[in-house]
Amino acid sequence: KQEVTQIPAALSVPEGENLVLNCSFTDSAIYNLQWFRQDPGKGLTSLLLIQSSQREQTSGRLNASLDKSSGRSTLYIAASQPGDSATYLCAVKNSGGSNYKLTFGKGTLLTVNP
Amino acid sequence: GAGVSQSPSNKVTEKGKDVELRCDPISGHTALYWYRQSLGQGLEFLIYFQGNSAPDKSGLPSDRFSAERTGGSVSTLTIQRTQQEDSAVYLCASSLQGWGQYFGPGTRLTVT
Repeated sequence: KQEVTQIPAALSVPEGENLVLNCSFTDSAIYNLQWFRQDPGKGLTSLLLIQSSQREQTSGRLNASLDKSSGRSTLYIAASQPGDSATYLCAVKNSGGSNYKLTFGKGTLLTVNP
Repeated sequence: GAGVSQSPSNKVTEKGKDVELRCDPISGHTALYWYRQSLGQGLEFLIYFQGNSAPDKSGLPSDRFSAERTGGSVSTLTIQRTQQEDSAVYLCASSLQGWGQYFGPGTRLTVT
């Protein structure tokens, strides 16, 4: 059974700092991995999707990497801003079988202080 | 274009009552998913619809939960005889098969 772990559970940084959020998964047979952002009381916004054959994806100040063999992904946020404050969720879709379900981590709550 | 929409945004109900939650997926998306997010827990898969195939109901926590998708579009999640442990945010997502999932804003259900 796939399990996804996110570390740290919470992170507080001053504005302008670069930061890294970590995600690990137990079963390396994944189809893709997705990073989401969730604002309080809101749904999920997809940030980046990395297919299993890819090593990284970039969007603006965000860069996500994937090391499938070691079961790890990182989300790098450059020059953080108060508007980046949210919960960041990592989710993996397994390959084969029920390869439509997303298995989520519990998220990292990020606070960027002005 | 319009994203995934869900209604109601908030629902407060008394224990034992039935509730219906609605999801309107992105037009053209063949796959539809329901997830539940309980306080302090991660998102939990509930059910998956893909085209005209039989849905995967393996994530439904009990037989009080059911869902249907009419005409390959709108979906309704029904919870019968609600219990306090059903209190959670219910999220719907849709996708093209094999691609990333787009989530709606969720319905916050509170059972008193």
